Amino acid sequence: DQQVKQNSPSLSVQEGRISILNCDYTNSMFDYFLWYKKYPAEGPTFLISISSIKDKNEDGRFTVFLNKSAKHLSLHIVPSQPGDSAVYFCAASVGQGGSEKLVFGKGTKLTVNP
Amino acid sequence: DSGVTQTPKHLITATGQRVTLRCSPRSGDLSVYWYQQSLDQGLQFLIQYYNGEERAKGNILERFSAQQFPDLHSELNLSSLELGDSALYFCASSTRGRPQETQYFGPGTRLLVL
Repeated sequence: DQQVKQNSPSLSVQEGRISILNCDYTNSMFDYFLWYKKYPAEGPTFLISISSIKDKNEDGRFTVFLNKSAKHLSLHIVPSQPGDSAVYFCAASVGQGGSEKLVFGKGTKLTVNP
Repeated sequence: DSGVTQTPKHLITATGQRVTLRCSPRSGDLSVYWYQQSLDQGLQFLIQYYNGEERAKGNILERFSAQQFPDLHSELNLSSLELGDSALYFCASSTRGRPQETQYFGPGTRLLVL
């Protein structure tokens, strides 16, 4: 049972355009969401996060939107750059009382073409 | 460089064998996490330690065990290895072990079971 789903395994965009990566979740108890980026042969690195009490968080070229009623979040990258080419993982936290853990999606491979 | 180190980088072994993966967290981080990434799978949370104590457990097999030592480094022991255990194993660390904190990932250990 996959609680965090990234239905698009890959996405290709042109440099300078917007990249939109999507993530759906099933567990309404998730209260914190994060995006991680992963380059080949490296571990994932944190990109941006959002609490369930917000619907938008922005950091430079990266914006995450949360639609709780639809159990959907998205990551917007504007403008996209070739260096953004990587695998992007959506993650959500569940649990309480010190036993919280992150649940990751399978990732979306973003390719930004020059 | 995340500051998290993992050894070895690559490991090739045979079915039925036992291996130990090692992780050193970032300086000052008290919590260590272990994740498994199999082919076409997202990051699967295995287990978390905080200051030497187990804090959270994911879908970790009984054949797998981990511990965090007084110097805060951690080891993941995989025994009675099966072909399906072939995967990338990541270690991550964070300051206080809350899921809202940024987790810093190591470069991973690639395990191949033949």
